[in-house]
Amino acid sequence: SQQGEEDPQALSIQEGENATMNCSYKTSINNLQWYRQNSGRGLVHLILIRSNEREKHSGRLRVTLDTSKKSSSLLITASRAADTASYFCATASPNAGNNRKLIWGLGTSLAVNP
Amino acid sequence: EAGVAQSPRYKIIEKRQSVAFWCNPISGHATLYWYQQILGQGPKLLIQFQNNGVVDDSQLPKDRFSAERLKGVDSTLKIQPAKLEDSAVYLCASRRPGLGTGELFFGEGSRLTVL
Repeated sequence: SQQGEEDPQALSIQEGENATMNCSYKTSINNLQWYRQNSGRGLVHLILIRSNEREKHSGRLRVTLDTSKKSSSLLITASRAADTASYFCATASPNAGNNRKLIWGLGTSLAVNP
Repeated sequence: EAGVAQSPRYKIIEKRQSVAFWCNPISGHATLYWYQQILGQGPKLLIQFQNNGVVDDSQLPKDRFSAERLKGVDSTLKIQPAKLEDSAVYLCASRRPGLGTGELFFGEGSRLTVL
């Protein structure tokens, strides 16, 4: 079942611009993760933010989490053509141990034009 | 460290035929996942293993899909007989030992086309 809903579904920007993607979810979470998937490749983990965190940075990535609104945003600053990919959010349920599930959104397709 | 290995990368079969996909996770990763990803959608969990035991197979179509991880290392996912709607990318992922759901490491996927 899909929990996360990414917004927008598709985004096209010019190189150097910032790209913002949003993810909304329905149930309480333990953490929220963002992954990137280049065309025809597997998914690559970008960043994990825990439910008690509000903001996290990693290089050109900035992730925010608002648990009251059940939403997260991923900001990519100074985008590059190599950032062209699909971006997925995945939420981890609060269930303990190995039963903690990851539920995936449908993804945002980002195109960065040179 | 070596990543998650999957094979074959591409497979084309006719409906009602069978197919098998293989996955070798990162060494030491006790948790292994098989996902199905249909074009334009997010990954859908088919089965999760913890060592060689099944943790979650609630979304595995058990009448045609089967998976095993006999020695708690590599795993095989089989589809028999295949249907047109099984056309998808089958992704294998693994996770480090420990509680919780941290980072998953994915293989490159096996793309299945059913004609």
